[in-house]
Amino acid sequence: TQLLEQSPQFLSIQEGENLTVYCNSSSVFSSLQWYRQEPGEGPVLLVTVVTGGEVKKLKRLTFQFGDARKDSSLHITAAQPGDTGLYLCAGARNAGNMLTFGGGTRLMVKP
Amino acid sequence: GAGVSQSPSNKVTEKGKDVELRCDPISGHTALYWYRQSLGQGLEFLIYFQGNSAPDKSGLPSDRFSAERTGGSVSTLTIQRTQQEDSAVYLCASSLVRRTGELFFGEGSRLTVL
Repeated sequence: TQLLEQSPQFLSIQEGENLTVYCNSSSVFSSLQWYRQEPGEGPVLLVTVVTGGEVKKLKRLTFQFGDARKDSSLHITAAQPGDTGLYLCAGARNAGNMLTFGGGTRLMVKP
Repeated sequence: GAGVSQSPSNKVTEKGKDVELRCDPISGHTALYWYRQSLGQGLEFLIYFQGNSAPDKSGLPSDRFSAERTGGSVSTLTIQRTQQEDSAVYLCASSLVRRTGELFFGEGSRLTVL
């Protein structure tokens, strides 16, 4: 059982559709990060959230940290083929503590 | 370059052979992680180095796996007597240790055990 559970594991949608990816845990995190990974490359940081209830927007991507700091969501509006990739959430239990990754959501956006 | 560098990028070996994978972190980053990623899957934590503290080895899958970090910089992950199930991409990442420290990943070393 992973500390961070991501859902769905796979998602295939058409260009222009909206989607939400979830990252859930029974543990409280001091911070949570979202990464995106493209084939043949390492993951790259998209955003970090640290405050319960925090919402951050990055162009068409909206990230939310749950009030209790146990879960997070990533919402993509009007998905583009360039959004295709593996989305990973990662949480730190304490400040300066190591990050634990979720299992990832593989997104494919078809033109 | 200024990023995390891993070598080799690809390694094909025969079952039973030993392999060494190398990671050069970003200069000044005190934290270094090794992860394993099977085809298209999430990241499996292997080991974590932080400064001069004892490493967190809780993710190493068996005693065939070991890692060291010399001088607080370069790290080597060694897999002895490789098995086919060891085939995966091995990712290294480094970071500054702070509350919201971003991990910077290398491109990984793809290991194939025949």
